[in-house]
Amino acid sequence: EPEVTQTPSHQVTQMGQEVILRCVPISNHLYFYWYRQILGQKVEFLVSFYNNEISEKSEIFDDQFSVERPDGSNFTLKIRSTKLEDSAMYFCASSEFGTGGNTIYFGEGSWLTVV
Amino acid sequence: QKEVEQDPGPLSVPEGAIVSLNCTYSNSAFQYFMWYRQYSRKGPELLMYTYSSGNKEDGRFTAQVDKSSKYISLFIRDSQPSDSATYLCAMSRGSQGNLIFGKGTKLSVKP
Repeated sequence: EPEVTQTPSHQVTQMGQEVILRCVPISNHLYFYWYRQILGQKVEFLVSFYNNEISEKSEIFDDQFSVERPDGSNFTLKIRSTKLEDSAMYFCASSEFGTGGNTIYFGEGSWLTVV
Repeated sequence: QKEVEQDPGPLSVPEGAIVSLNCTYSNSAFQYFMWYRQYSRKGPELLMYTYSSGNKEDGRFTAQVDKSSKYISLFIRDSQPSDSATYLCAMSRGSQGNLIFGKGTKLSVKP
C-alpha cells in the first residue's frame, strides 16, 4: 500500500537552529499538509499546499515556518529559528483531492526535540 | 467551549466487548467527520470517513454522525487486543485539509 514517508524520524536540535523536515507524499497525490502534535496534546493543522503554493495555514504557521516542494517528489517543512516550544511530532500528510474530508494519509512523523 | 471535545479515557474493555467512542463539537459548519487510529509515536491512520449525518459501516466499525446534536460516535464490535490504540475524531468544514482533531481516547482491549 502506498505510504507517506518522512525523514528524519527523530531530530534533536539546539534552540535557534534551523531545521528541515522532509516528506515524500504518495505519488499521485496533489495536496500536501503538515500537522504537528505536541506530546500529550491534539494533532494540530499547520499548512496545506497545492499547485506549488500555500492554500491554507493556521495561526501556528508563522513567519518562522516555510514549506517547499523542491522537486517532483519531496515536500519539506523548514523551521528557521527553533524554539523550545517547537518540540513536537510533525506529521506530513497527502491526499489525492483537496476538497472536503477526503482521505488524508499521514506519515509516521518526525519527532523534533529542541534543547 | 472547545471546538472538538473527546473524552481522553483511558478506556479498558475485555476482548469481544462492544466499544463506543464519542466526540462532541460546537461548530455547525463541520460537514466531514473522520475517525483515525493512532498507535504510540505513529501517524494517524484513517478508519472511517463520513459526510454529513448518518451511519457508515465497515467490518467491525460503525461511524455515526448526528449533526443536530453535534455528536459523532465510533462503535467497534467484537473488540480485539489489536484494537488497543488511541482513537482520534477529526472534522472539517470542507476547506483544504484543515482537519480539527479531538484529543483522542486511549483504548485498551484486554485478552
